[in-house]
Amino acid sequence: DAGITQSPRYKITETGRQVTLMCHQTWSHSYMFWYRQDLGHGLRLIYYSAAADITDKGEVPDGYVVSRSKTENFPLTLESATRSQTSVYFCASSPLAGKTGARGTGELFFGEGSRLTVL
Amino acid sequence: EDKVVQSPLSLVVHEGDTVTLNCSYEVTNFRSLLWYKQEKKAPTFLFMLTSSGIEKKSGRLSSILDKKELFSILNITATQTGDSAIYLCAGVNAGNMLTFGGGTRLMVKP
Repeated sequence: DAGITQSPRYKITETGRQVTLMCHQTWSHSYMFWYRQDLGHGLRLIYYSAAADITDKGEVPDGYVVSRSKTENFPLTLESATRSQTSVYFCASSPLAGKTGARGTGELFFGEGSRLTVL
Repeated sequence: EDKVVQSPLSLVVHEGDTVTLNCSYEVTNFRSLLWYKQEKKAPTFLFMLTSSGIEKKSGRLSSILDKKELFSILNITATQTGDSAIYLCAGVNAGNMLTFGGGTRLMVKP
């Protein structure tokens, strides 16, 4: 029972390079999320997806691209990495049925995080 | 814009002490409040609170919600070194979107 897995767990890259962080979940959860965690800011939502082929911006989407061609995968791409994108990135999923009127607690299930350093 | 604020930012106590962590929220169409514990890796779920005044309890941890004053507290009694972690709270709106607070870093010394 793998749950939700992220790769790579650690990555060092250089400014201007493209980086993709992978996220895979085995629960068939509808919703998936990408957060970044930085000291003093807590967890901030980058992008989320309500279902395959449906994505939407969160609080801090600039410099990031996502896709969701399959329910189980939600990759996050930094097209041209910058030092300010050095952070720990968490992918999460949620078994939400939908928006208004949905059942579910809003509880998120997190991956173990990907620590990205941009030099 | 939804907002969640936690206090204190950090806390150092000794084993056996009782601690209270605070979480205030401004969430449009509030649905629930969640508490998570984050040790070295990913946050793990502790509690979900939806109703005012009803205490949720799990061992030495308990939490309560006040929807009138828009806050929640997390209590930990008889703290142990294993309680050292970052504690996160998050407000959930009617769209089931979470807004996290900045976290409280708790360190429990032997």
